Formats: sequence, structure tokens, C-alpha cells
Amino acid sequence: DADVTQTPRNRITKTGKRIMLECSQTKGHDRMYWYRQDPGLGLRLIYYSFDVKDINKGEISDGYSVSRQAQAKFSLSLESAIPNQTALYFCATSPSLQGTEQYFGPGTRLTVT
Amino acid sequence: SQQGEEDPQALSIQEGENATMNCSYKTSINNLQWYRQNSGRGLVHLILIRSNEREKHSGRLRVTLDTSKKSSSLLITASRAADTASYFCATEGQGAQKLVFGQGTRLTINP
Repeated sequence: DADVTQTPRNRITKTGKRIMLECSQTKGHDRMYWYRQDPGLGLRLIYYSFDVKDINKGEISDGYSVSRQAQAKFSLSLESAIPNQTALYFCATSPSLQGTEQYFGPGTRLTVT
Repeated sequence: SQQGEEDPQALSIQEGENATMNCSYKTSINNLQWYRQNSGRGLVHLILIRSNEREKHSGRLRVTLDTSKKSSSLLITASRAADTASYFCATEGQGAQKLVFGQGTRLTINP
């Protein structure tokens, strides 16, 4: 089984709808991250969490919210989806040590019409 | 804004040739990492080089880091068709504890 899983893998939704993307990990890592990737661009950080009680905004948090339900689960919500939130969304995890790699989920392709 | 700027944006070479990708960044870093992404999939970590290291090897990969020029390069030797992917550099700033990614280099290996 994959260490970092994301659901759903693909989602089409309409403008104004609320949508939640979920991420689960079995690596036992404290740190979790949400990124978005737009075509031809690198990843931009939306939110990150260093433990269950620690949530931080990233570079592009406007229009998004997150919930860290447990060490293993980190959800990203779009309260009212808009077309420019159409993107590929990735969850990642890392150990609580500075200078370590991140482990990525397979991604969720979200289309807002 | 993104920390890393990668060059070239796209690279197409013949199988067996070497591929070199470059990354420049703006601020002081703890480490620089390279990741690979196959089309539309999650990123996979390739190699991490710390700010006090100058060169690192992993199989057919060689990474260099020049902190005075704020730049890094990734060399893939003896390329294979399976190396076709996008490659991203990511920097961890001093005290930042999070990564900032570049826009990536799209590498195509022609058989």
C-alpha cells in the first residue's frame, strides 16, 4: 500500500461548491503539507502542519482551509470553489527533522467549471 | 514568489547522452533538494545536498552546489528513455523548515 494516499484522485465540481480533499499517511510523520501545481509551474505551498495542533499558512492560502484531524490525516477544503482553483493538488509528509526529504501523494486533479 | 529558477525549461536529448539541469536561488539555504515527477504524478525525491556540501552522487546522478553563486546543477549520466520526466529543485531556507520549489525542467530522452 502507498505510504501517502489522496482522495479523490480526480474531481470535477462547479463554481461555488464546497469541496474537501483528503490526505492520509502511514509513515508516522508529524509534518504534512498541501501544495498546488499549475501547468508548467512548480509546486506552491498552500498550508502546512508540523503537528496536530500546529497549522500554518503557506504562500497561497487565500480561498483554502485545512484540518489536521490526526497525525495521519490532513484535509484541504475549498469553501467556495472558483475556476482558477483548477489545478493538481499534492499532499506531502516529512519527519520532524530539519533537512529531510518530503514524501508525496499521487495527487488530486481538480477541475472547477 | 518562487525561490528556485531552473534552466533550461525544457531539454531534449538522445538516449545515452548526459543531461544537465541548473537551478539558481536567491536566499541562504540549509539544503537544496532535487525531485522528479513523471507526467501528472507525485514527486519523488532524488537527492539532497546540504549547504556545507559541494558535490553529491547517487547512482547516475551527480549534484553540485555553489553557495557563493547560489546555484546547483543536476547531471544525469548515460540517460535512458525512462528518465523522461520533469525535474524540480527545491530549497529549504535557513530557519524556514519548508521547501520552495522551482518551475522545473522538462526532460525528454529520445530513443
